[in-house]
Amino acid sequence: QVQLVESGGGLVKPGGSLRLSCAGSGFTFSDHHMNWIRQAPGKGLEWLSYISTSGTVIYYADSVKGRFTVSRDNAKKSLYLQMNSLRAEDTAVYYCAREMLVSGFSYHAMDVWGQGTTVTVSS
Amino acid sequence: QSVLTQPPSASGTPGQRVTISCSGSSSNIGSNYVYWYQQLPGTAPKVLIYRSNQRPSGVPDRFSGSKSGTSASLAISGLRSEDEADYYCAAWDDSLSGHYVFGTGTRVTVL
Repeated sequence: QVQLVESGGGLVKPGGSLRLSCAGSGFTFSDHHMNWIRQAPGKGLEWLSYISTSGTVIYYADSVKGRFTVSRDNAKKSLYLQMNSLRAEDTAVYYCAREMLVSGFSYHAMDVWGQGTTVTVSS
Repeated sequence: QSVLTQPPSASGTPGQRVTISCSGSSSNIGSNYVYWYQQLPGTAPKVLIYRSNQRPSGVPDRFSGSKSGTSASLAISGLRSEDEADYYCAAWDDSLSGHYVFGTGTRVTVL
């Protein structure tokens, strides 16, 4: 079935780094733009980053620009988020999500989400 | 801080119609499509509406979206207990060099 599975979350000290992975299956990964979104405990959704199908177009939220780096490996059907200089406020559940295709056209609607991976930044 | 504003809560009894508003600006809702997501407790979000008023396959027609100017709305008709969840609007924002923004979220309670 169509699914995304995140991994790589955990406990890290302030200033540390983590690399999140998101593995896609059941669909043609290379056809879909991808996004990272997070949700702090008890808070709303926060979009973090977008990467186009080829990886040539990338956007970041101001809150993570310069600290986080998104990448993808279409051959491995995988999406990544390298997170550096982590802060306490980065503590959240991190989701990867694919953008939906309708009749071959890509919309900025995220129709498949992973289950989320938890990142806790604490000393 | 989100640039899309939603009421923090909404409620209704089973069978009623509930409407959730989403207020933005000319750089987001005013010039781009609006999306709506439902997040049930402890689960990942699910897209309900794309392209401001289109439902993906499998989404009941009890859910409908609309947009006017810099505001959008999600209506839930025939409210059911399983609709109790958090709802988020979202849109692309042209003023932020390529940013997707989510609304502040609305908790819908079925009384």
